[in-house]
Amino acid sequence: QKEVEQNSGPLSVPEGAIASLNCTYSDRVSQSFFWYRQYSGKSPELIMSIYSNGDKEDGRFTAQLNKASQYVSLLIRDSQPSDSATYLCAVLNSGGYQKVTFGTGTKLQVIP
Amino acid sequence: DGGITQSPKYLFRKEGQNVTLSCEQNLNHDAMYWYRQDPGQGLRLIYYSQIVNDFQKGDIAEGYSVSREKKESFPLTVTSAQKNPTAFYLCASTPTGWNEQFFGPGTRLTVL
Repeated sequence: QKEVEQNSGPLSVPEGAIASLNCTYSDRVSQSFFWYRQYSGKSPELIMSIYSNGDKEDGRFTAQLNKASQYVSLLIRDSQPSDSATYLCAVLNSGGYQKVTFGTGTKLQVIP
Repeated sequence: DGGITQSPKYLFRKEGQNVTLSCEQNLNHDAMYWYRQDPGQGLRLIYYSQIVNDFQKGDIAEGYSVSREKKESFPLTVTSAQKNPTAFYLCASTPTGWNEQFFGPGTRLTVL
């Protein structure tokens, strides 16, 4: 069983729509959750961190966390073609060394 | 400018050769990491270091070696023992007291 699971996509949305990206994780005691954006051929860029249940908003991005369901999501409002990228979900596990586990990413395509 | 630099951007290696990938940061971050990314796969941890002169194996350390003689530098050597080294290599670092990891631009290694 994968520790962090994401649908690989591609997820296609029209420009201006809301893109919804989902992620599930297996470690119930995970502490912190991150979303990274990765353009093709580039390195990941951190766009959101979330630590507690509920929603966290930053501009057009909203991260949602439900620890009981072991589910974290990223909503992108008013999607733009420049949002087209692969979005990586990452989970910080508890333990002596706080290991970050990455999902394989969801590819988002915003259609003009 | 503060940041994480990796060099070279592209690297070609003949079979049987050892190569060293550079990672430098001037952010005063304590922890540094090396990941490998293959197409369709998430980031996999090779080695990490939380302080100078100390480092630990990650999930896929076989065929790799590192050193951490200075806080700013965490070079990765890909040895001839690594059977399938062609991949995108990413270095990351974390500020003290933070959980978030920040990535350098990456090195793309190709074995000829």
